[in-house]
Amino acid sequence: DTEVTQTPKHLVMGMTNKKSLKCEQHMGHRAMYWYKQKAKKPPELMFVYSYEKLSINESVPSRFSPECPNSSLLNLHLHALQPEDSALYLCASSQDPVGTQETQYFGPGTRLLVL
Amino acid sequence: SQQGEEDPQALSIQEGENATMNCSYKTSINNLQWYRQNSGRGLVHLILIRSNEREKHSGRLRVTLDTSKKSSSLLITASRAADTASYFCATDAAAGNKLTFGGGTRVLVKP
Repeated sequence: DTEVTQTPKHLVMGMTNKKSLKCEQHMGHRAMYWYKQKAKKPPELMFVYSYEKLSINESVPSRFSPECPNSSLLNLHLHALQPEDSALYLCASSQDPVGTQETQYFGPGTRLLVL
Repeated sequence: SQQGEEDPQALSIQEGENATMNCSYKTSINNLQWYRQNSGRGLVHLILIRSNEREKHSGRLRVTLDTSKKSSSLLITASRAADTASYFCATDAAAGNKLTFGGGTRVLVKP
């Protein structure tokens, strides 16, 4: 199984809502990532988890709260988002958190619209 | 911030033609990777070239790396309509797998 799954595929939320994005992989990868991608732009790294611990936070606002409950799951909790947070949110995983030359496997993304 | 800049930003070709896109980066790297993204979907890894390699092939893909010029190119030969996508280079400048993506090249292959 070389697949990273993400749910939901689409999400519409108001600025006062609380929602969560979910990501799952069963490849035994020990590094997992959240990216944000705006239209016609490259993905921008938000968070990296290595061995279920947060290792990189790219100065992301606190209204985004990541969580890694176990080695296969990654969540992104959303609260009090702004319309400019509307984007495609991509999850990825790779095998070795401390190695180099690592391929990242991406999920299909969650398309988020904040009204 | 973007490590890589890609050129051209968009490319339109006929099926059967070759497509070439370039990526430049700013700092020393461990490796450089190319990914493809179909519209609104996740990225798919195409090829990885290490900093001590100069050229690599995978099927219809050919990647070159010139570390002295801090640049890479991706050549897609005999293009097909299914190659229509955005192509991103990504560099890994340090351990820990922090990838930084270039701006991307949008390729349209017309049947």
